Amino acid sequence: KNQVEQSPQSLIILEGKNCTLQCNYTVSPFSNLRWYKQDTGRGPVSLTIMTFSENTKSNGRYTATLDADTKQSSLHITASQLSDSASYICVVSAEDSNYQLIWGAGTKLIIKP
Amino acid sequence: EAQVTQNPRYLITVTGKKLTVTCSQNMNHEYMSWYRQDPGLGLRQIYYSMNVEVTDKGDVPEGYKVSRKEKRNFPLILESPSPNQTSLYFCASSMEHYNEQFFGPGTRLTVL
Repeated sequence: KNQVEQSPQSLIILEGKNCTLQCNYTVSPFSNLRWYKQDTGRGPVSLTIMTFSENTKSNGRYTATLDADTKQSSLHITASQLSDSASYICVVSAEDSNYQLIWGAGTKLIIKP
Repeated sequence: EAQVTQNPRYLITVTGKKLTVTCSQNMNHEYMSWYRQDPGLGLRQIYYSMNVEVTDKGDVPEGYKVSRKEKRNFPLILESPSPNQTSLYFCASSMEHYNEQFFGPGTRLTVL
């Protein structure tokens, strides 16, 4: 069964600190992996999208990694800011007949001043 | 400005009263999709459309209908809403199904 699991479920860190969020997936056949940021009550916003051949991609202070062999991805946030408080969602696209998108439940990140 | 718009943003209705939530995008995207989001759960796909006149069921299609008569619009129809359809709904679009999706602002629906 295609699944995406994220950890931790929630995380609280102090402003200025770094953090890493994890995403493990069992999706086949794999097409790409995406990270989204969702502020409470708002639509998700794309951070990165990575294909099989990409193992690192950055977007400002956000850096995503992908290990297609172990089916793991991480999102690293550097020098966190209060505006980073949000849910971070990992989504894996399956290249099957349904073009299925499998959504993780997200990690809720809270940045404290 | 490139965007996905949804209307209405908030709606309170009663059981059984048909309603439509509109979704429109101005980016000439082929792929459009509807999601619902409930507290503590991730986004769940209701329906998607690969292009005009082509729609398919997502993970939770029961109780919903969609149509894609033109590229820019993808309305979500609830023929007979029930309280379990109370949720936050998002419309999204992308150039193709494998590209990043752009989301609308959301529609918060309450069915009494």
